[in-house]
Amino acid sequence: IVMTQSPLFLPVTPGEPASISCRSSQSLLHSNGYSHLDWYVQKPGQSPQLLIYLVSNRASGVPDRFSGSGSGTDFTLKISRVEAEDVGIYYCMQGLQSRTFGQGTKLEIK
Amino acid sequence: QVQLQESGPGLVRPSQTLSLTCAVSGASISIPNYFWSWVRHHPEKGLEWIGYMYNSGSTYFHPPLKSRVSISVDTSKNQFSLRLSSVTAADTAVYYCARSRGGRSYNGMDVWGQGTTVIVSS
Repeated sequence: IVMTQSPLFLPVTPGEPASISCRSSQSLLHSNGYSHLDWYVQKPGQSPQLLIYLVSNRASGVPDRFSGSGSGTDFTLKISRVEAEDVGIYYCMQGLQSRTFGQGTKLEIK
Repeated sequence: QVQLQESGPGLVRPSQTLSLTCAVSGASISIPNYFWSWVRHHPEKGLEWIGYMYNSGSTYFHPPLKSRVSISVDTSKNQFSLRLSSVTAADTAVYYCARSRGGRSYNGMDVWGQGTTVIVSS
């Protein structure tokens, strides 16, 4: 399954919203009723960290300004108000067949 | 608090075998339904999942790497290991180990190691 993110580069003014799109080459809907799509961020000099799992579930400790949505082959990560600490590369990942990541979206502060 | 720590040689010669270990603390690696993964980050290509081990020895590998990868577990040391054979420069990356739960308890790869850099060069 190929994962395609857009945009690949996302400059954002602090306090403004941001949105990242992720498309899969086939539906990520499992027979269990869940779509296997996660979001991760890799901040400068850090390991990747989990943001969202199974489309819309925030990981422990993730601020509620992060939200995930979507179904089938189209998914979105939204940040309601970007803060300086959100700088990093954001990846979507499918877990339906093996695991594959999108190319990554680099978020930077204007 | 669960912590993962990767270790291994930072330099591997082309055609040789890369061997890394992930030491787990704060939880038993033998707990059923926990999946222990290896993921790597290429400087130019982003993240690539390599494979995982679960239920103290069952494994599943990313198909493009399947012929070169093995993952083993040492429950006495609470650690698991990655072996990647016939390496080339394309295997130069930062290697991470990570944990997730399986099945209905799936909650993403919620714990990651700090990563270890491996360079393939003669």
